[in-house]
Amino acid sequence: DAGVIQSPRHEVTEMGQEVTLRCKPISGHDYLFWYRQTMMRGLELLIYFNNNVPIDDSGMPEDRFSAKMPNASFSTLKIQPSEPRDSAVYFCASSLWVGSTEAFFGQGTRLTVV
Amino acid sequence: GQQVMQIPQYQHVQEGEDFTTYCNSSTTLSNIQWYKQRPGGHPVFLIQLVKSGEVKKQKRLTFQFGEAKKNSSLHITATQTTDVGTYFCAGYNNNDMRFGAGTRLTVKP
Repeated sequence: DAGVIQSPRHEVTEMGQEVTLRCKPISGHDYLFWYRQTMMRGLELLIYFNNNVPIDDSGMPEDRFSAKMPNASFSTLKIQPSEPRDSAVYFCASSLWVGSTEAFFGQGTRLTVV
Repeated sequence: GQQVMQIPQYQHVQEGEDFTTYCNSSTTLSNIQWYKQRPGGHPVFLIQLVKSGEVKKQKRLTFQFGEAKKNSSLHITATQTTDVGTYFCAGYNNNDMRFGAGTRLTVKP
């Protein structure tokens, strides 16, 4: 397996634009997580899915953020409209179970909103 | 909700010195995991501790889980430049897994 695949690796966009980040988890993993990493706030859990169903989205900062998982092999994190304070590295991770097995992280998407 | 605190935030050591990072949870944990993130990279799983008082070693790295399963530590003996990066703990309980803020380690050759 190629591991967790995220795209794009880098995204630069203007304030107000819509941004969509994509993730392909490891095949067979039932859990998918979206994290945001910044210098100020560290690694924050935004949302996680179990079998394509959102379980905990309490970390989603506001209504501008939304995440979907239409099937077991694909998830998106959308920001609309984007703001400069959304600039961060966004990681997707997947695991067989939540917490009791290791999480495999993708390479991340570095988002810059200007 | 569950909170996981990690200290120190930064640590700068001379190559050959030891390094320790500590992780404390506000609640009792089912298990704790440790991850390492190299500069510019992504977190990579190191180890998982499950049992109260558990100690595990990986070469120069020693991981401990507290008796009360609310704290953990990672100790690196005789650091090397390859040890640079950010070390995260992640505590798990009741379908809730939370990462600590991480300890960024720099090593001066």
